[in-house]
Order: sequence, then structure tokens, then C-alpha cells
Amino acid sequence: EVQLVESGGGLVQPGGSLRLSCAVSGFTVSRNYLAWVRQAPGKGLEWVSFIYNDGNTHYADSVKGRFTISRDSSKNTLFLRMDSLRAADTAVYYCARVPPWLQVPYYFDFWGQGTLVTVSS
Amino acid sequence: QSALTQPASVSGSPGQSISIPCTATRSDIGGFFYVSWYQQHPGKAPNLLIFEVSNRPSGVSLRFSGSKSGNTASLTISGLQAEDEAVYYCSLYTMNTIQFGGGTTLTVL
Repeated sequence: EVQLVESGGGLVQPGGSLRLSCAVSGFTVSRNYLAWVRQAPGKGLEWVSFIYNDGNTHYADSVKGRFTISRDSSKNTLFLRMDSLRAADTAVYYCARVPPWLQVPYYFDFWGQGTLVTVSS
Repeated sequence: QSALTQPASVSGSPGQSISIPCTATRSDIGGFFYVSWYQQHPGKAPNLLIFEVSNRPSGVSLRFSGSKSGNTASLTISGLQAEDEAVYYCSLYTMNTIQFGGGTTLTVL
């Protein structure tokens, strides 16, 4: 059974850092395209970052240079390192999987339950 | 600002059909062949409803269908049920990014 479970959210001050984790089961992180998507309170969905099965990474302009996506195959876990956090980064962060048969990440077939990040002094 | 425009809200009565449009506002959206749709209930993660314009994942009700014409994709829900009350997002892949529409809140009257 495919499962994604996020953790690591919490309250952080502006300018601070946080690392989110997404533990997956039922598939292998290194063989799949994975993403982080966020949702500010009461707002819509915003794509944040991709990591491809070849290790290539891509970021939304709003987080480029501040966030880093990575994975640990030994732990079968996806990460999102967030630095220089701003109030505008406050959101529920979801990890999501692209179907493994796709060569291009057109859509997400499984999502985690999300973890809340609050950036506030 | 999203490149995909959706109405903020739609409504319908049980048993009726409704459609939610999603219009690409930028010329570089291209063929718009890879639109997907997600349903999100309050406090829950999004759930895939439609992929590649008109395909349903296994387990999704036949009441949900997708189509497109030019730069506008549409999600149609037939035989509205109370459980369909949710927010619906269109999504499009372009050049290593994903764009989401602003979301449409469906109210079942």
C-alpha cells in the first residue's frame, strides 16, 4: 500500500530554518518523481519543488535559493530543507508522488496528510 | 498570479450537473493536453479526480468527467451529491513546474 507521512512542521521565527520529512512506504523514493506542494491558510495549492528519479531538482520562484529538496534512499524518505523562512511561507506542506509509469510529472496520484509550518515571531 | 483561472464558486442542487471551467491565461501553456483535476475536502489532502484531461483513476466515480476546448478545460460532475461539496483545483504541468488554478468551491444546495 502506498503511503506518505509528513513530519517536522511547527512554529519558527522569521529568518529561521526547518526541515520537513516525508516517510514513504509501498514504493521507493529514488525511483519516483516526488514533489512538495503547500497551501497557505484559507488559500489554494502552490507547487513548491520537484525531485526527479535522476536526482534533478526544480523549485518555484518563490522558494528558489531558500529551499532544498532531497531524499535518503536508505530511509526511503523525502526531505525539504527550508531556510530564511518568511511569514509568507506559513502553510500546510504536502508531499506528493507522481505515478511511477510517467516520464514527465504531469500529475500526482498519492499525497500525504500534510504538516503545518507557521512562521511567526 | 496563477496562469489557470477558475471561478471562485459554483453551486447546484442534488441530482443536477455542474461544470467547472479552467482557462489558461498565458500563451505559453501550449496544447493544454495534460490538465488534471483534484478534489479537496476541508482539512484533507487533495485527491486526484481526472488526469490527462479526461481520464479517471480507478475508484473515482463515473459521475466525474473531464474535457477541453482550446485553452479551457472543464470538470463536469453529474448527479450531484452532498458529498461532492468540496474545493476543486485544476492543474497543469509546464516546463518542470506545476501550476494550480485558484480553486472552485462547490456548494450543494
